[in-house]
Amino acid sequence: EAAVTQSPRNKVAVTGGKVTLSCNQTNNHNNMYWYRQDTGHGLRLIHYSYGAGSTEKGDIPDGYKASRPSQENFSLILELATPSQTSVYFCASGDRGGSERLFFGHGTKLSVL
Amino acid sequence: GDQVEQSPSALSLHEGTDSALRCNFTTTMRSVQWFRQNSRGSLISLFYLASGTKENGRLKSAFDSKERRYSTLHIRDAQLEDSGTYFCAAGGIASSSFSKLVFGQGTSLSVVP
Repeated sequence: EAAVTQSPRNKVAVTGGKVTLSCNQTNNHNNMYWYRQDTGHGLRLIHYSYGAGSTEKGDIPDGYKASRPSQENFSLILELATPSQTSVYFCASGDRGGSERLFFGHGTKLSVL
Repeated sequence: GDQVEQSPSALSLHEGTDSALRCNFTTTMRSVQWFRQNSRGSLISLFYLASGTKENGRLKSAFDSKERRYSTLHIRDAQLEDSGTYFCAAGGIASSSFSKLVFGQGTSLSVVP
């Protein structure tokens, strides 16, 4: 089973502050994804990556940046956090270009006050 | 954009009964994945299908192999531990090389004694 680890598990941030969510996967998957989950919206894709050095915009990228410095690590960055970014964030990895099986981390609960 | 319509949105079952969840896709998809989200928020992968059916214990999933526009998840002999929110995610438009997973809104399942 693929191992996807997110940190932190919980985060409280202040409006206007910078937040970095980290994700590490140990299965050598090419593709990694960041989703957020909100009541009434299911999971929505923020950014994704094909491999080290690549980042692509998902369906709701505004207010977020992403960084893929290596095959294993994919970060989500909120440069100026806002209360509307309070959510649960999930990282996932997969290896076959969009139709592959995804493996998810346990999620990060972010509260922006 | 592509959409996944999941039904029902909520379901209550008595222990020992059977039921089925369904996902309809607005376009042809390459694959479907089913998840259960438990009370701690973790997304547990149940099935990944590119075609046909798969079975695991009391759960069985099918992906329409002809038109590839719907999938079902059958729960047999429902138990209390089956409670949770079930998501389907459809992947990969058949004609494209890379396509993002699209999630349904989820079915909230409650199994009662």
